[in-house]
Amino acid sequence: AQKITQTQPGMFVQEKEAVTLDCTYDTSDQSYGLFWYKQPSSGEMIFLIYQGSYDEQNATEGRYSLNFQKARKSANLVISASQLGDSAMYFCAMRDLLGGNQFYFGTGTSLTVIP
Amino acid sequence: DTEVTQTPKHLVMGMTNKKSLKCEQHMGHRAMYWYKQKAKKPPELMFVYSYEKLSINESVPSRFSPECPNSSLLNLHLHALQPEDSALYLCASSPAALFAQPQHFGDGTRLSIL
Repeated sequence: AQKITQTQPGMFVQEKEAVTLDCTYDTSDQSYGLFWYKQPSSGEMIFLIYQGSYDEQNATEGRYSLNFQKARKSANLVISASQLGDSAMYFCAMRDLLGGNQFYFGTGTSLTVIP
Repeated sequence: DTEVTQTPKHLVMGMTNKKSLKCEQHMGHRAMYWYKQKAKKPPELMFVYSYEKLSINESVPSRFSPECPNSSLLNLHLHALQPEDSALYLCASSPAALFAQPQHFGDGTRLSIL
């Protein structure tokens, strides 16, 4: 079974608007971490934001926030005030207790910011 | 600037060549990873080292041979590769067995097999 599902292969957003990238996950562990990474066309994988399974507050890092709905097993990334430099692939990932050192990645969402 | 350094950034090799990819981190992480990534696809896990011991090998062909000489270094030895092995190879590190901590990636090596 897929551990991480990203259902949006491609998304477009107008510059300065907000956009939500969807991510759902599957684990039977109570302890897990959820991560979002950004990968520009240059190839580097950039860590954006983390949400722990026990965190009661949604994580925020600058223009990035994570809409964490534990009962629905979703961890959507919200990017506010989109910029042209936000155009990239975005991957949702999870690490759980059962998986140990293994990280599970979704298939990614390609975001294009339109001027 | 990334805290995980990969060399070389680009590599072109023939199918009979032997080459190595190198990865170095100085964050004290005890888990290190090799991934293969094709364009617009997620990274595919190849190998995981935990405390310098190979802990996961995702059924990778033997033409890829990993090595972890110490806690800071990770190598990937390449021999007799095929054209389908052309890809971006990413190294990553993380604290071992701490699920709350992310992986940190290097910038990758773009490998082309002629």
